[in-house]
Parts: sequence; structure tokens; C-alpha cells
Amino acid sequence: AQSVTQLDSHVSVSEGTPVLLRCNYSSSYSPSLFWYVQHPNKGLQLLLKYTSAATLVKGINGFEAEFKKSETSFHLTKPSAHMSDAAEYFCVVRGNNAGNMLTFGGGTRLMVKP
Amino acid sequence: EAGVAQSPRYKIIEKRQSVAFWCNPISGHATLYWYQQILGQGPKLLIQFQNNGVVDDSQLPKDRFSAERLKGVDSTLKIQPAKLEDSAVYLCASTKGGGDTQYFGPGTRLTVL
Repeated sequence: AQSVTQLDSHVSVSEGTPVLLRCNYSSSYSPSLFWYVQHPNKGLQLLLKYTSAATLVKGINGFEAEFKKSETSFHLTKPSAHMSDAAEYFCVVRGNNAGNMLTFGGGTRLMVKP
Repeated sequence: EAGVAQSPRYKIIEKRQSVAFWCNPISGHATLYWYQQILGQGPKLLIQFQNNGVVDDSQLPKDRFSAERLKGVDSTLKIQPAKLEDSAVYLCASTKGGGDTQYFGPGTRLTVL
């Protein structure tokens, strides 16, 4: 069984300040972990993924995430928020079983103030 | 490369009516997924196809939902009859193989009145 908990349903930051979106996971297998972003009325876009290589993963648009097995966490960060970062972010776990099943967290809505 | 295509983008129906959604995956992608995303929640897998065969439909409410991928390319998801709680965005995704990144379509927003 696998699950994902996104610890904040809403995060508000000022433009130019750091972003931290928190995610904890649970998985019976060695997990693959993803962050997806969803802008209003648009499809889900992959930001980055961890698949058992380097624990610090760099993604698009300046985002990165660090896999910490001891803490079962995969927090998403960005040094400086931009207005265009305002969106819904989903942390996702995929167990390494045959079905490639993705389990999504509940989402974190990021708001960026000017 | 074209992305995952879905239609319609929006649909409004009354409860007890029927509705169908269509998905065309990225060319060459053997695996296709349908997800349901209720407002304020993350997407939930409904069904997974590998070519034209079902891999996982354990979370599909089979009394009212059905899906097919007859030729192993595009797919149709049907709801008959619809209930108010079916109001959601229905997302289609595809991958080349089981372990690859899933690419999502824009979704179909269903409103059941």
C-alpha cells in the first residue's frame, strides 16, 4: 500500500521569497516520487521526479526536491517565487509494482503575492 | 509531438443521464489511464489499460462506469446513469510503458445537475 500526505492545503508567499511545499509518503516498495503542477483549466505537468538515483532532484522552472528516506519526505522548494508559480501542486508516489499505479496527495495551492 | 487529447472539455448533464468522454493518447503510448479528480482533491485512478487490455479497474464503480480501448489506441469512458457525486474533472494520461512518466491531457470537466 502507498499513500501521500501534503502537509499544507494552502501556502502563500510574496514574489521573490522562497517556496516550500511539504510532502510525506508511505510505500511498501522503494518508491518513485513526483511533483506535478496544475494551472487553472490546464492539464497536469510534470515538474520533477525521483527514481532512486540522486536524492536531490532538479526540475523545471527552478524547482527542486530532496528525497529523505529517514524522514519519508519529498519536499518541493524554489529559491525565489514568481507570480507565474501560482497553481496547485501535487506530490505523487508510484510503487515499483507491476501496475505503475500513481497515488496523489490532496494538493497544495500556492498563492504568490506581488 | 502532440500531447494527450481529450474531448469534450466541458459537459453539463442532469442526473440519471448518460455521458461519454474520449481520449487519444500520445502516439506510440501503450498504457492509458483514466483518473477522476473531484474539486479540492488529487486525482484518483479509475482504470488502467495496457494496449486494449485492462490492467487495473479496482476503483472503477462498475455499476455505472465503463471504459473501453478496443483498438489499443483511443479510449472512451462512459457514465450511465450519472449521479450528482460524479461531478469532477476526468483526466486521461498515457505512458510508453509501465514504468515511464505519465503525460496528462487537459481533462473533461463534468457537472451533474
